[in-house]
Amino acid sequence: QVQLVESGGGVVQPGRSLRLSCAASGFTFSNYAIHWVRQAPGKGLEWVSVISYDGNTIKYGDSVKGRITISRDNSKNTVYLQMNSLTTEDTAVYYCARENYDSSGYYEGLDHWGQGTLVTVSS
Amino acid sequence: DIVMTQSPDSLAVSLGERATINCKSSQSVLYSSNNKNFLGWYQQKPGQPPKLLIYWASTRESGVPDRFSGSGSGTDFTLTISSLQAEDVAVYYCQAYYRNVLSFGGGTKVEIK
Repeated sequence: QVQLVESGGGVVQPGRSLRLSCAASGFTFSNYAIHWVRQAPGKGLEWVSVISYDGNTIKYGDSVKGRITISRDNSKNTVYLQMNSLTTEDTAVYYCARENYDSSGYYEGLDHWGQGTLVTVSS
Repeated sequence: DIVMTQSPDSLAVSLGERATINCKSSQSVLYSSNNKNFLGWYQQKPGQPPKLLIYWASTRESGVPDRFSGSGSGTDFTLTISSLQAEDVAVYYCQAYYRNVLSFGGGTKVEIK
């Protein structure tokens, strides 16, 4: 079955960096775009970034642009999220999710999500 | 980026009654090439990741009960739970897609009255 497993979260001091990983299994990873979505404690969902199936199209949310880099290694079925210059505002559970699409390639939604990894930015 | 506005922030509905959640986008999410609205609805229960309920504004994801339905087009959308069950207690989010970028609404918390 489709599985997405995030890792790399933890407690980090403001200004430091962290790299999250999203390991996928149960589907042809190289055919799917992957998104990162975060959720601050007690708050709503915030879209962070997306990387296309081949890594050629990448987008970032305004709140993280310039501080975050998304990448993927299709040989390892893994997507990475490099986060730099972290602030307390980045404290959240970070989810990775698979973007599903129809036979014509049109977006259908995020149909599978990981359980998330918690990032806490604190001194 | 598209701004999504949900209402109400929360609502309490009796078991078996209808729950209605509204979502408005700051620009149209109707995609002319396939005549689909790129608008989805997600359900999130405490301690769990979100779950896709509806995509293209009105298409139920596989396995989603038919008491969940979505409607609307352009900028105004609605999620309806026709007969609220105890297991439907959750926060519901609308989400738009535009040129690879996603935008989520603020969420609506649904509780039992």
